[in-house]
Amino acid sequence: GESVGLHLPTLSVQEGDNSIINCAYSNSASDYFIWYKQESGKGPQFIIDIRSNMDKRQGQRVTVLLNKTVKHLSLQIAATQPGDSAVYFCAENRDGATNKLIFGTGTLLAVQP
Amino acid sequence: EAGVTQFPSHSVIEKGQTVTLRCDPISGHDNLYWYRRVMGKEIKFLLHFVKESKQDESGMPNNRFLAERTGGTYSTLKVQPAELEDSGVYFCASSQLTGSNTEAFFGQGTRLTVV
Repeated sequence: GESVGLHLPTLSVQEGDNSIINCAYSNSASDYFIWYKQESGKGPQFIIDIRSNMDKRQGQRVTVLLNKTVKHLSLQIAATQPGDSAVYFCAENRDGATNKLIFGTGTLLAVQP
Repeated sequence: EAGVTQFPSHSVIEKGQTVTLRCDPISGHDNLYWYRRVMGKEIKFLLHFVKESKQDESGMPNNRFLAERTGGTYSTLKVQPAELEDSGVYFCASSQLTGSNTEAFFGQGTRLTVV
């Protein structure tokens, strides 16, 4: 579980609704972005990625949008389910030579049944 | 195929003691990364191995932290002596290739509590 005193941005949605999680990045030179899902007691799990030459990419129930002009990334989850409850992190890859990831602070998605 | 495994899953130690965390990457993955998440903040990069060599250790907080990857297989991260601010979750990740568009697979993490 999370530490006591943790203050993550939280998004609370009803089961079946769509969720939108936002992320801002700082380095305009970043060319690869990833969304990770972290459930309690587990490590970050890859959800979807997008390269900087794209502005939208779709997966199963998830869509990532990239706006390079304002350096903004979003993750859309369609028909949110209780199993989607987790902390979601965006990450940017600034160095293709090392694949070093820079993570955002994370958003806690709480799905209400 | 086994994923990235980390040991122990939890460790509680007293300030001043030594702790060693272990990471077994996915077999065949040359790249191994250590990250940590302190006090619920963002996950931060610590260092990157390519096989047994340290490629980038710019994220290591100070010289109390020592990472090794002898033989290019598993890696250890030792904290000596541990301080209260070292508490957090330490993640290991591995990938087969470097470069953009290369997925890194994470372990479940080691939760370290220094009291």
